[in-house]
Amino acid sequence: GAVVSQHPSWVICKSGTSVKIECRSLDFQATTMFWYRQFPKQSLMLMATSNEGSKATYEQGVEKDKFLINHASLTLSTLTVTSAHPEDSSFYICSASRGTTNEKLFFGSGTQLSVL
Amino acid sequence: GESVGLHLPTLSVQEGDNSIINCAYSNSASDYFIWYKQESGKGPQFIIDIRSNMDKRQGQRVTVLLNKTVKHLSLQIAATQPGDSAVYFCAENVGSSYKLIFGSGTRLLVRP
Repeated sequence: GAVVSQHPSWVICKSGTSVKIECRSLDFQATTMFWYRQFPKQSLMLMATSNEGSKATYEQGVEKDKFLINHASLTLSTLTVTSAHPEDSSFYICSASRGTTNEKLFFGSGTQLSVL
Repeated sequence: GESVGLHLPTLSVQEGDNSIINCAYSNSASDYFIWYKQESGKGPQFIIDIRSNMDKRQGQRVTVLLNKTVKHLSLQIAATQPGDSAVYFCAENVGSSYKLIFGSGTRLLVRP
């Protein structure tokens, strides 16, 4: 089955620094990728839709200047948390779609971000 | 539908019993629904999906039921096993956007 790789799986950073998370589709080309955030004991909240070669579409309430998304190729999307603060600590998950009708989404294994 | 709670509801079942996990969705225009299983510290794992032109779909040990009249979705797990212990989320999708909106989730605990 299709595999989506997410890296790193766990990162600790100091407040004020930036962290980049990568999401790769390993055996298919993903025209669309999605970024979710999940706080403990809560559901996945969609942050943004990442489209290859164009600007990401952010959900209401998500700061596009804080969560920078780049989808420069059909197999890689990155999420950069800029000037991270402790309240940004969360589990970040990406998913990818082949872009064909009725295709399932494939999820990465997630990245646990802890901001000190 | 899109829902965030302070804690996850928990369903505790005896090993070997059947489990039923319920989900209410909010968008009557949603036409594709998926159940995911999420283990601690991992990404969601696809279990089963169903389109709005169906009301029931069966997989291996799992069945999804869709009631569009009351916007309700359920996941039935037969002969629940310890490995089924996880958090289960329903997700809904509208049209061809591939954008999923997740429900609030249910934690399933299987007692040996």
